Amino acid sequence: GIQVEQSPPDLILQEGANSTLRCNFSDSVNNLQWFHQNPWGQLINLFYIPSGTKQNGRLSATTVATERYSLLYISSSQTTDSGVYFCAVKTYTGANSKLTFGKGITLSVRP
Amino acid sequence: EPEVTQTPSHQVTQMGQEVILRCVPISNHLYFYWYRQILGQKVEFLVSFYNNEISEKSEIFDDQFSVERPDGSNFTLKIRSTKLEDSAMYFCASRGGGGDTFGSGTRLTVV
Repeated sequence: GIQVEQSPPDLILQEGANSTLRCNFSDSVNNLQWFHQNPWGQLINLFYIPSGTKQNGRLSATTVATERYSLLYISSSQTTDSGVYFCAVKTYTGANSKLTFGKGITLSVRP
Repeated sequence: EPEVTQTPSHQVTQMGQEVILRCVPISNHLYFYWYRQILGQKVEFLVSFYNNEISEKSEIFDDQFSVERPDGSNFTLKIRSTKLEDSAMYFCASRGGGGDTFGSGTRLTVV
């Protein structure tokens, strides 16, 4: 099956700093999503981005499907950005298409 | 914004007992999923469901697990005889045009 690798595994930032989180995948995808898992365990959908670039406030994401990677940018980080960030992909959209998750990136933003 | 609703948010059960986890997917979605996340690990696919039948299941989804859509709105995951290793966060998801939407999860603790 498809492999999803996220880096770095852990990231510590001072509040106000910027960061880039990376997701590499081993096969062509037609769905890629970034999630933020908050301290209560909820998975919050940040971006649905199989290709191209999107922005939502301080967050933006870029997926270069031909090169099999996606980047999540966090600017002016806040303590509430802390948590685990997951990249997840699908290789097709049939009835049994499932998301394959990476291991996540644990972000800690210090005040 | 439409949500996937899961109940209960927490469940503690004795080993060997049956549990039913409940989900209400987004009303116009047709594809439904269950995932689980053991504490500190990545999110893993359990089963996908479409047109009132299972379309794919993982090796985790053994005979102890079953899914059902008993009416037009609910989607349930049953674990017949819980084991200690079933302790995890269980997520329900449904698929729409903008990617998959996840519920807030049920934290299952087997004691």
